[in-house]
Amino acid sequence: VQLQGSGPGLVKPSGTLSLTCAVSGYSISSDYYWGWIRQSPGKRLEWLGSIYHTGSTYYNPSLNSRVTMSVDMSNNQFSLKLTSVIAADTGRYYCMVATTGDNVFDFWGQGILVTVSS
Amino acid sequence: EILMTQSPATLSVSPGERAALSCRASQFIHNNLAWYQQKPGQAPRLLISGASTRATGIPGRFSGSGSGTEFTLTIDSLQSEDFAMYYCQQYKDWPATFGQGTKVDIK
Repeated sequence: VQLQGSGPGLVKPSGTLSLTCAVSGYSISSDYYWGWIRQSPGKRLEWLGSIYHTGSTYYNPSLNSRVTMSVDMSNNQFSLKLTSVIAADTGRYYCMVATTGDNVFDFWGQGILVTVSS
Repeated sequence: EILMTQSPATLSVSPGERAALSCRASQFIHNNLAWYQQKPGQAPRLLISGASTRATGIPGRFSGSGSGTEFTLTIDSLQSEDFAMYYCQQYKDWPATFGQGTKVDIK
């Protein structure tokens, strides 16, 4: 499986961060969990959330309802939206897939560096 | 959420030697633990899940052990490509959480 993330590298404070991950080698409708993890400077890897192909979502409570994930079956991709961003949301965002039904992240995209700045 | 603590922060090892990295969970997580390797400029790569099961394609010199709250990743006969950051991650409870990482560098 290959995961290719894309999206703007710069987002203004209070704006919305929007990223997409194109999937190849697997169908997005496979029995897997697709999701996002970020790595911010000086911080630990942080699981942001996952989405099942049925649309069921699981988000990290630390994001205080700012996060939304969706699946686009027709284009075999999934997306992340993070609203009301602040400087602390700066980091590298990885899309990933968990293929075994639990939160073990088998495959990762290359990562997208997103900076929150005016 | 479950706090994962790794030690040491940095481990200096000579090529060909063994490295042992520790990970401790703040709560019982049974064997719901994974290890990842990350090299500069790359995404993390899954090494081990279920505390001791190597992922597909991972060399046999990588082994994991432990259960409950204490875990160890052992790398036998370190190769040049093994010098990297290593992270543990629990998946017993939501949200999944990671340790702060151990950097294995060349002595």
